[in-house]
Amino acid sequence: DAGVTQSPTHLIKTRGQQVTLRCSPISGHKSVSWYQQVLGQGPQFIFQYYEKEERGRGNFPDRFSARQFPNYSSELNVNALLLGDSALYLCASSLGLWGETQYFGPGTRLLVL
Amino acid sequence: SQQGEEDPQALSIQEGENATMNCSYKTSINNLQWYRQNSGRGLVHLILIRSNEREKHSGRLRVTLDTSKKSSSLLITASRAADTASYFCATDAPIIQGAQKLVFGQGTRLTINP
Repeated sequence: DAGVTQSPTHLIKTRGQQVTLRCSPISGHKSVSWYQQVLGQGPQFIFQYYEKEERGRGNFPDRFSARQFPNYSSELNVNALLLGDSALYLCASSLGLWGETQYFGPGTRLLVL
Repeated sequence: SQQGEEDPQALSIQEGENATMNCSYKTSINNLQWYRQNSGRGLVHLILIRSNEREKHSGRLRVTLDTSKKSSSLLITASRAADTASYFCATDAPIIQGAQKLVFGQGTRLTINP
């Protein structure tokens, strides 16, 4: 079975632009979470979606938004990009909401110039 | 803020030796997971240990959990060059509406020297 997939793998944007990152979960997984990992740090939780509903949000500004589609894939949108948004964005999927192993995709590396 | 703290931040050993990494956390947990990350790419899940478990094995990996001390350790035996990576512990934290998020430490950078 395919693992979690993310696209694109790399992205370069300039300040003020908008970006959309995509994630496809493992088949059968209904929960998708997004994490931001700044260089040298551990991942930080951004969002969790389950059955197309937002079930949790981390301490990120409203410039960050996400959605989950009927096929459980997900998009993360970031508006008005700042230099500090440069990071590795990781998507994770799990079967359910609680107590489940989260499986991560390869990530999208975003560079904001 | 990050709940988990890995120790040491960096570890360099010779191939064949054992590597031990420690993780401490602050609040009570249901599960603790260990992940590996190669060269800033995606996280690979290694082991999940539940709060009612004390030890778990997977191949050359051994994880212990001491909930009274709020700590966990990851032991890699007979290390190989391919084990060179960053290792993270992640604890679950509740979110409103019954969901969970993972809270990561800053990781231990492990280097295996040939």
